[in-house]
Amino acid sequence: QITLKESGPTLVKPTQTLTLTCTFSGFSLTTNKVGVAWIRQPPGKALEWLALIYWNDDKRYSPSLKSRLTITQDTSKNQVVLTMTNMDPVDTGTYYCAHRMVTTDGFDFWGQGTMVTVSS
Amino acid sequence: SYKLTQPPSVSVSPGQTARITCSGDALPKQYAYWYQQKPGQAPVLIIYKDTERPSGIPERFSGSTSGTKVTLTISGVQAEDEADYYCQSADSSATYSVFGGGTKLTVL
Repeated sequence: QITLKESGPTLVKPTQTLTLTCTFSGFSLTTNKVGVAWIRQPPGKALEWLALIYWNDDKRYSPSLKSRLTITQDTSKNQVVLTMTNMDPVDTGTYYCAHRMVTTDGFDFWGQGTMVTVSS
Repeated sequence: SYKLTQPPSVSVSPGQTARITCSGDALPKQYAYWYQQKPGQAPVLIIYKDTERPSGIPERFSGSTSGTKVTLTISGVQAEDEADYYCQSADSSATYSVFGGGTKLTVL
C-alpha cells in the first residue's frame, strides 16, 4: 500500500527558505517511471503544481517558481525534499506531495498535506 | 505559462447530470486528469488519461475529450458529489504540469 506524508515547519518568516520532506512507503523511487510531485494550495484557492522528480533524477519545475525551487530525493530514506527560497506571505498554504502514476502523469496517491504559514 | 480554464461553479439537482469543462491549447496532445476534493481533504484522482476511471471510482463519473476541451460528466449526481473538481494536464512539450482553477459543484 502506497502512503506519503509531508513534514516541515508550520511557520516561516518572510525571506526565509522553506524545506519540506515527503516520506513515502509502498514504492521505490529507483523503480522505472516512478515519480513524486509537490503541489500546493493557498487557503480557499486552487491547486498549484510545483515540481516533480522522476526515478532517474530527472526534475521538472513550474516555470513561474523555477528560480525558487529545488527538488531532491534520498532513495535510502524513501524521501523527497522540496526547498523554496525567499518565502512570502502569498506562499502560505497547504503543501502536498503525491505519487505519479507509473504509466501516465496523474497522481494516484496523495499525502495528507502540511499547512505552512508565512508571517513575521 | 500554460493555463487550463474551468468554470468557477456548476450547480445541479440530485439525480441530474453535471458537466464540468476544462479548456487548454495543449489538450489535443496531452492527457487530462480529474480530481475531486472535499473540504479539508486531499484531492482524489477520479479520471486519468482523459477517460479512464481508477478502481473504486463510481461509474457515474466519466471523462470525454474534444479538441482543446475535456469534460468531466457526473451522471445521476448525488449529494456526496458536492466538492471541488480540478483538471490537470501538461504543457505541449510535457515539460511541466498545471491544474485548472477548479470548479465548485453544488448539489441543490
